[in-house]
Amino acid sequence: DAMVIQNPRYQVTQFGKPVTLSCSQTLNHNVMYWYQQKSSQAPKLLFHYYDKDFNNEADTPDNFQSRRPNTSFCFLDIRSPGLGDAAMYLCATSRGAGPNEKLFFGSGTQLSVL
Amino acid sequence: AQSVTQLGSHVSVSEGALVLLRCNYSSSVPPYLFWYVQYPNQGLQLLLKYTSAATLVKGINGFEAEFKKSETSFHLTKPSAHMSDAAEYFCAVSPWGGGATNKLIFGTGTLLAVQP
Repeated sequence: DAMVIQNPRYQVTQFGKPVTLSCSQTLNHNVMYWYQQKSSQAPKLLFHYYDKDFNNEADTPDNFQSRRPNTSFCFLDIRSPGLGDAAMYLCATSRGAGPNEKLFFGSGTQLSVL
Repeated sequence: AQSVTQLGSHVSVSEGALVLLRCNYSSSVPPYLFWYVQYPNQGLQLLLKYTSAATLVKGINGFEAEFKKSETSFHLTKPSAHMSDAAEYFCAVSPWGGGATNKLIFGTGTLLAVQP
């Protein structure tokens, strides 16, 4: 009965080789988020979608992009991964966009860059 | 700008002992505050949240947290630790007083170990 599903659990890519991480949800939530969590650091918001409206954080590198083809799916594309992009990537959803909304997280994708 | 600081990246307690995980926040507007827990190989899940309705907030699994404005704190407690409480705990603040999109700002986390 997983509600926010991230695939794959572990992803290995090569330096500079494009990679896509995927997230799906069965909650029919309006908002989907992507967080980056580096080792021993706080999760950091990269961007989010409210329905089809894309909202990029000001300090998210241009190397990171996202797509949301429908309500259920959201993808994180890293165009040219660098060694510094190795991290856990967390997808989350919320029903609404209010400041006290509960977020539902997936288990994450651990990305390694060789 | 809003932020949270979690004191102690690692906390170890004995089974049955009090759990106290510290979180201090900085916010220029009345904050919404959250505690999330991350069990091994799982995503973060909400333990409890403060939204100004009551200063003492009760969450799941016997955890509670008290909002203290004078101390800018939102510490997480549980009277008696259980082995199953071993996990990483994140404090978070929502930076908007209302109306705008929820963008949680997380602390760096506290890893709780429970010794038998």
